[in-house]
Amino acid sequence: KAGVTQTPRYLIKTRGQQVTLSCSPISGHRSVSWYQQTPGQGLQFLFEYFSETQRNKGNFPGRFSGRQFSNSRSEMNVSTLELGDSALYLCASSPLQITDTQYFGPGTRLTVL
Amino acid sequence: AQSVTQLGSHVSVSEGALVLLRCNYSSSVPPYLFWYVQYPNQGLQLLLKYTSAATLVKGINGFEAEFKKSETSFHLTKPSAHMSDAAEYFCAVSDPGNNDMRFGAGTRLTVKP
Repeated sequence: KAGVTQTPRYLIKTRGQQVTLSCSPISGHRSVSWYQQTPGQGLQFLFEYFSETQRNKGNFPGRFSGRQFSNSRSEMNVSTLELGDSALYLCASSPLQITDTQYFGPGTRLTVL
Repeated sequence: AQSVTQLGSHVSVSEGALVLLRCNYSSSVPPYLFWYVQYPNQGLQLLLKYTSAATLVKGINGFEAEFKKSETSFHLTKPSAHMSDAAEYFCAVSDPGNNDMRFGAGTRLTVKP
């Protein structure tokens, strides 16, 4: 079974731009979660999707948004990028609930200049 | 909201020695608790999880953790460290049905030969 894939793996953007990151979950998994990992703030929950619906969202500004498609693939978007958005963005999938065993992708490393 | 505290950002042990990584949670209601491991430049991998069944949870790679409600703790142990255990370890908590996950700051484990 293929694991969670994230594209692109590395991204460099400048302040003010927007970015879209993609996540393909393990086949059959319907819950997809996104996390931001930075040296200063650690691992922080962004949001969780199930059947194209956002079930929960972390404490992030509205510039951070996401969506999930009918095939469970998910995208997250960050608009008006700030230097502080530089981070490793991790996606995880699980069968139904975030408390099921989550499988993480390798992450997308975003650098904002 | 639930939170977890990991005591010790860095732990160093000798190969063959006991590994003990500490995690305390804040809650009056037992949550779901998790330990994840992250190797350099990789995503997270679930080691084990507690979901209100047995209080002693066995995970992969010889790790185990004991849920102690009286101490609000969920410490991770391994009887004998191996060089391959060197990584960063994260404790995480989730409220059942809440569809979010909160991570501790992480503990970097170094294993000396």
